[in-house]
Amino acid sequence: GAVVSQHPSWVICKSGTSVKIECRSLDFQATTMFWYRQFPKQSLMLMATSNEGSKATYEQGVEKDKFLINHASLTLSTLTVTSAHPEDSSFYICSASSGRSSYEQYFGPGTRLTVT
Amino acid sequence: GQNIDQPTEMTATEGAIVQINCTYQTSGFNGLFWYQQHAGEAPTFLSYNVLDGLEEKGRFSSFLSRSKGYSYLLLKELQMKDSASYLCAVKGASGGSYIPTFGRGTSLIVHP
Repeated sequence: GAVVSQHPSWVICKSGTSVKIECRSLDFQATTMFWYRQFPKQSLMLMATSNEGSKATYEQGVEKDKFLINHASLTLSTLTVTSAHPEDSSFYICSASSGRSSYEQYFGPGTRLTVT
Repeated sequence: GQNIDQPTEMTATEGAIVQINCTYQTSGFNGLFWYQQHAGEAPTFLSYNVLDGLEEKGRFSSFLSRSKGYSYLLLKELQMKDSASYLCAVKGASGGSYIPTFGRGTSLIVHP
């Protein structure tokens, strides 16, 4: 089956620093990748959608200059949280779609970010 | 816009049957998903409905009524490991592409 990995699985950083999270599709080519954020006991909130080789589409209210997304290849997308603050502490989850099916979306295991 | 509503929490007994409801209002419709999410983990796919009716898959079944904007997930022969959050997600139309929107999830607690 399709596998999506994320790295790191958890990270603690100091306020004001930047953190990069990687999302990889291990055994398929991901034409589209999604980045979600989930606060405790809340649902997944879509942050942005990225297609390989083009700029990401951000959801309303998500600062594109703060959350930098790069979908450089068909197997890798990165999310960089710039100048992180404690309120950015959350569970970040990526998902990937090969585009072959209209509904299949494979989720990564998530990255727990804690900003101190 | 899109609005998805599901109960916040439900409890049930091991071996029993539980039905988790989901109602939605969306602009455009391209399918409804159910995911299971254990605490601290990513969601795992359970079911996908795009046409009206019941889809059965082992102990789990999912029902959809597009005219009523309604779905439910039915879990039979509950096991302790079924304790998790169950997310209803709807693919509507956002900016011309079909992106799933997630509900807040229903936390199911299965007790002995």
